Amino acid sequence: QVQLVQSGAEVKKPGASVKVSCKASGYTFTGYYMHWVRQAPGQGLEWMGWINPNSGGTNYAQKFQGRVTMTRDTSISTAYMELSRLRSDDTAVYYCARDNSDFWSGYYYWGQGTLVTVSS
Amino acid sequence: IQLTQSPSSLSASVGDRVTITCWASQGISSYLAWYQQKPGKAPKLLIYAASTLQSGVPSRFSGSGSGTDYTLTISSLQPEDFATYYCQQLNSYPWTFGQGTKVEIK
Repeated sequence: QVQLVQSGAEVKKPGASVKVSCKASGYTFTGYYMHWVRQAPGQGLEWMGWINPNSGGTNYAQKFQGRVTMTRDTSISTAYMELSRLRSDDTAVYYCARDNSDFWSGYYYWGQGTLVTVSS
Repeated sequence: IQLTQSPSSLSASVGDRVTITCWASQGISSYLAWYQQKPGKAPKLLIYAASTLQSGVPSRFSGSGSGTDYTLTISSLQPEDFATYYCQQLNSYPWTFGQGTKVEIK
C-alpha cells in the first residue's frame, strides 16, 4: 500500500532554514509527482509546488520562489522540501501529497504532516 | 486564480441536504477537486474533475459545475461528515484552494 511518511516536528528561529523529508513506499517513486502543501494553524491549505522525482524538475508557487527548494533522492524514494529565511508566518503543518491516477486528479495520498514552528 | 467558497460555515442537522459553492475568478475547465478535513488530520480527497467521485467515498457526496461555478452536495448529512471542506483548482499555476467551509452540528 502507498505510504508517505514525513520527518518529525521542527522548531526553528527566524532566518533559519528547515528541510522536511517525505519517504514514499508501496509504489514506483519516480512514477508520480510529489506535491507540497502547507497549513498555518487554524488556517486553510496553501499549495507550495511540486517536484518530478523522475527528472528532478520543479514548479514552485511564485510566493515561495527564491526561498523554497524541492529535491529528491531516488535511491531511498524520498522527497525533500527546504524552506529558507524562515519567518514567524511560516509556522505551519507541511504536507507532502500525491495523486492517485493522473496529474490533475487531486491528492489522494498524503503524508501525516510535519509541524514547523518558527519562534525566537 | 482565486477560489471563493460559500458559505464559510454552516450549521446543519443529521439528514440535511448540504450544498457548498466554490466560485473561481476565471474559468478552470472543471479542473476542480473537493477535500474533507477533520481536526488534526490530513485532507481526504472526495471529488476530482469537478464531478468524479473518488473510489471509496460514499455516494451521498456529489460534485457538479463548469466554467467558474462549482458545487459540492451532501445529500443526507451523516455524523461523520462534520468537518471542513475545501475546493482546489488544478487548472492554472499556482494551484489554489478555497478558504474552506466548516460544517457544524446544529
